[in-house]
Order: sequence, then C-alpha cells, then structure tokens
Amino acid sequence: EVQLVQSGAEVKKPGESLKISCQTSGYDFTNYWIAWLRQMPEKGPEWIGITYPGDSDTRYNPSFQGHVTISADKSINTAYLQWNSVKASDTAIYYCARRVRYSVGWDWFDPWGQGTLVTVSS
Amino acid sequence: DIQMTQSPASLSASIGDRVTITCRASQHINTYLNWYQQKPGKAPKLLISVATSLQSGVPPTFSGNGSGTDFILTISSVRPEDFATYYCQQSYDTPPTFGGGTKVEMK
Repeated sequence: EVQLVQSGAEVKKPGESLKISCQTSGYDFTNYWIAWLRQMPEKGPEWIGITYPGDSDTRYNPSFQGHVTISADKSINTAYLQWNSVKASDTAIYYCARRVRYSVGWDWFDPWGQGTLVTVSS
Repeated sequence: DIQMTQSPASLSASIGDRVTITCRASQHINTYLNWYQQKPGKAPKLLISVATSLQSGVPPTFSGNGSGTDFILTISSVRPEDFATYYCQQSYDTPPTFGGGTKVEMK
C-alpha cells in the first residue's frame, strides 16, 4: 500500500525557520515526483512545487519561489518543505502528494499525505 | 495560470438524489481534468482522472464528463458517505490549478 505520512502540527513565530516532512512507503520513491500543496481555510489546494527524488530535479510555482525550498532524501524515502523565515500568511494546511504521470496531461496527485497544519502567530 | 471555476459553491441534497457539479476552465484543457473528494479534516482523495476515468474503489454512482473548457461531475444517487467537498484540477499546464470547491451538504 502506498502511504505518505507527514510530520505533526507546528506553531511558529514570524521570522522563525521551519521544515516539515513527508515520509513515503509502498512504492519506488525515486521513480515518482512528490508535490507539495497548500490549502487555506475553505479554499482549493494550491500547487507549491514538485521534486523528483531520482535526480533532485525541483520546480516551483512562481507564486512560492524564493519563499520555500523543496527537497528529498532518497536514503530514507522522505520529502521536505522548508522556510527560512515564516510569515503569518503562511498559516495553512500543507499536503504532500505523489504525482502520477503517464504522459502529457495524464497527470494527477494520488495519494496525499494526511496534511500538516502550520500556524504562524506572534 | 489557468483559472478553474466551480459551480455551485455549495448545494443541499437528500440521500438518493442526483447531483451535478460543474467545473469551467479559463482556457481549453482537452480532457486533462481530475476530480477529488475531501471530507472534513482529511486530505483530498482522487476520484476521477482525465475527465472520465473512475479510480479503483470509487463507486460507479460517480461519473465524469466533458472536454475543452466545460466539465461535469455527477453523483447519480447520493449516499451518506458522499457528503463532502469536491474539487476539480487541471493538468493541462503548469502550475496545475484547482477549483474553489463545491460543498455537498445534507438537506
């Protein structure tokens, strides 16, 4: 069974650094892209970016580039999303998801991790 | 970015009702459209890929249709476990984008 298990909820102050994780199992971690998505309350998910653990190729949504860093450690089948300096506006639930892609357009997210709630407040 | 617009934002239904949710893309996206179901406090779950392909384990009361810019998710007979929020997502272009969601509530 493919599983993505995320790290627990975080409470941070503005300006602090943060790194959340997504541990995977049940499939070849190096052969699938892993995506990170943000979901604000009562809104649809937003795509932050993706990484391919096999060669560390990483791509970002321009809306998030420069503010977050996506990485992966293939020795422990785990992906990461990190901030050097969080802001109150980063408060949201963050999901990792395996990207399944067969060809152009045949591309979706399945399954998803359970989500990590990040709260940034002074 | 391609904008995805869902309607209605919410609807009320009774068990056994037929429900239709619409998703419109701001530009042509072929059939590169996926549907997800999200229950409160849970992660989204993939229901349908490339507009019409039902995922394994998803009941046949769910169906998807459409191409180009207009897509429909239909629940032919609502069951108690179908009360949730549904999102469409385009995979035609990067970044992939999601609709704002349609909440299906019990009448």
